[in-house]
Amino acid sequence: GAVVSQHPSWVICKSGTSVKIECRSLDFQATTMFWYRQFPKQSLMLMATSNEGSKATYEQGVEKDKFLINHASLTLSTLTVTSAHPEDSSFYICSVPGTSGLETQYFGPGTRLLVL
Amino acid sequence: GEDVEQSLFLSVREGDSSVINCTYTDSSSTYLYWYKQEPGAGLQLLTYIFSNMDMKQDQRLTVLLNKKDKHLSLRIADTQTGDSAIYFCAEKSAGGYNKLIFGAGTRLAVHP
Repeated sequence: GAVVSQHPSWVICKSGTSVKIECRSLDFQATTMFWYRQFPKQSLMLMATSNEGSKATYEQGVEKDKFLINHASLTLSTLTVTSAHPEDSSFYICSVPGTSGLETQYFGPGTRLLVL
Repeated sequence: GEDVEQSLFLSVREGDSSVINCTYTDSSSTYLYWYKQEPGAGLQLLTYIFSNMDMKQDQRLTVLLNKKDKHLSLRIADTQTGDSAIYFCAEKSAGGYNKLIFGAGTRLAVHP
C-alpha cells in the first residue's frame, strides 16, 4: 500500500492564528487526496477531496474559506485552518486512494490540533 | 442515504475470539473494509472483502459478509493485547471517487 506522511504530528496554537498541515504521498503520485477530521471517540468525517491542479471539492457543511486546501503537486496537499478557534481542535487525517484496484485509501498518521 | 453502523465497545479476554459487527445501507457497495486505529495514529487497512464473496480468511482474521442482510463481521481469533484498538467498518460510497463511508468505530479492549 501507499506510504503517506503528515506534518506536523501535533500542533498547539492560539485562537485566531492559522495553521498549515501537510500531507505527502511518499511512494507514488496522487492526483487526489482526502482530508478527514475526527473528534474524540467518533468516526472520521470527510471534509474535502483535494484535486491536483484544480479546486478542492468540499463536503456539505464544511467552510471552504475556513479550511483552505492546496494540492500543489502530485505528492503534496496542504490543509490550512484559518483563524483557528477552540472548536477547530481535532485530529486531522489525510488519505491517498490506492491504485491496486481495491478502491481503498491509505491514511496518514494524523495531525492533532489544539487551539487555545 | 448511506450509513454504516457498529457497536461502540467490545471487551474480550486474551486468547478468546472477538467478533465485531457492522451493518451498512448501500447495497451497491463493491468493496467493504475493516480498518484498525491504534491510539493517536491514523487508520491501517486491516482487511477487505469484495461484495461477491461471503467469507474471507486472512491468518487470524475472518470476514463474513451477508449481503442480503447488509451485515459484515470481523472475527479475530486468539485475540491478543496488541489487538486493542478501534476497528472501523467502511464501505465505498456509490457517489464519489473512492469515497469511503465509515462507521463510528468499535473500541476493542483485551484484558488478561
